Amino acid sequence: GEDVEQSLFLSVREGDSSVINCTYTDSSSTYLYWYKQEPGAGLQLLTYIFSNMDMKQDQRLTVLLNKKDKHLSLRIADTQTGDSAIYFCAEIPAYNQGGKLIFGQGTELSVKP
Amino acid sequence: ETGVTQTPRHLVMGMTNKKSLKCEQHLGHNAMYWYKQSAKKPLELMFVYSLEERVENNSVPSRFSPECPNSSHLFLHLHTLQPEDSALYLCASSGGDGKLFFGSGTQLSVL
Repeated sequence: GEDVEQSLFLSVREGDSSVINCTYTDSSSTYLYWYKQEPGAGLQLLTYIFSNMDMKQDQRLTVLLNKKDKHLSLRIADTQTGDSAIYFCAEIPAYNQGGKLIFGQGTELSVKP
Repeated sequence: ETGVTQTPRHLVMGMTNKKSLKCEQHLGHNAMYWYKQSAKKPLELMFVYSLEERVENNSVPSRFSPECPNSSHLFLHLHTLQPEDSALYLCASSGGDGKLFFGSGTQLSVL
């Protein structure tokens, strides 16, 4: 079956690192994504990783992929108050039909000054 | 600005009303989607259109009726909705590489 799970809440202090975790069940996934949703807005693609990669870094963002454990994480360095949002992990199975992404429930990140 | 525009941003309707949500993209994408986002639930994929043909309908009640007249426009026609249909309805488009571009959504309240 297809399932993507995330913890619902994470609270950090400004300047600290945030690590948001995600587990997925479909081992055939080709791409895994992180989306960010700010209040009153739609989802915005933050970053993605191809399944043959272990790590991808993009400025303050680091994505780690452990295919064996089907575990994906997003690390935000030097977290700012503007990073407060809901972060969604998503996978796209290999049998993709029409670009169907499977989303997690989202992790609400709260950054305290 | 993601290039995907949804109107209206907010909609309040009674259970006997008929209304339509509109989505427009000028990104040159060939696939468009409707998602429903309810509090404390995962995003629910409702409909997928690829090259203006519906390719997926995830057992959505018939009171929701999509229309895709061309690759740039997508509508969701609503009639005789229920209070539990109150949610944020998100439109997205994709160029086929799996990266979705979302609109800001329509916050729907059914009274």
